[in-house]
Amino acid sequence: NAGVTQTPKFRILKIGQSMTLQCAQDMNHNYMYWYRQDPGMGLKLIYYSVGAGITDKGEVPNGYNVSRSTTEDFPLRLELAAPSQTSVYFCASHSGSTEAFFGQGTRLTVV
Amino acid sequence: GQQLNQSPQSMFIQEGEDVSMNCTSSSIFNTWLWYKQDPGEGPVLLIALYKAGELTSNGRLTAQFGITRKDSFLNISASIPSDVGIYFCAGQLWPTDKLIFGTGTRLQVFP
Repeated sequence: NAGVTQTPKFRILKIGQSMTLQCAQDMNHNYMYWYRQDPGMGLKLIYYSVGAGITDKGEVPNGYNVSRSTTEDFPLRLELAAPSQTSVYFCASHSGSTEAFFGQGTRLTVV
Repeated sequence: GQQLNQSPQSMFIQEGEDVSMNCTSSSIFNTWLWYKQDPGEGPVLLIALYKAGELTSNGRLTAQFGITRKDSFLNISASIPSDVGIYFCAGQLWPTDKLIFGTGTRLQVFP
């Protein structure tokens, strides 16, 4: 089983560039989440989705966008990268009252 | 918004000591989950709790789902150096199943 797959694993962006972080799960989970984790800190929720076609803001949505056109995929878009978006990004998914599975993370540096 | 208060924030203990951490909230949860995160990795599930009052063990780890459904604790007995990491509680809110994470407990074990 692939579980939750995030790509890329690492990326360096210049200020003002845009990119999409990919997240895919093959477990038919309805819930998907994007978190960012700054060094030594906890997980902050950026956006989440309770099913295809439905997305909602988390604690720190500014500077990001998401879409959920399929159950499997939940891409996170950065339109104008800023140094404050340097972080490690985690995607997670679950279904109903079951454990959440995490991807391996995307380490993003904005210079 | 919904919050999970996790304590302590950090712990510095000697190898062989027992550890206890907990999470509390004013909201009701369907499920409690405890995760561990090693440096550079995504969180990995340690224990899942699905019923109020449930007490579950996984090796040296024991966790309980509080009777009120608003809290949970995790105990680690006879700590060893590889227990070092960040421990997160997470709860799935009633009735939406939305996942909420605690702020994490950073554990350091000294030989």
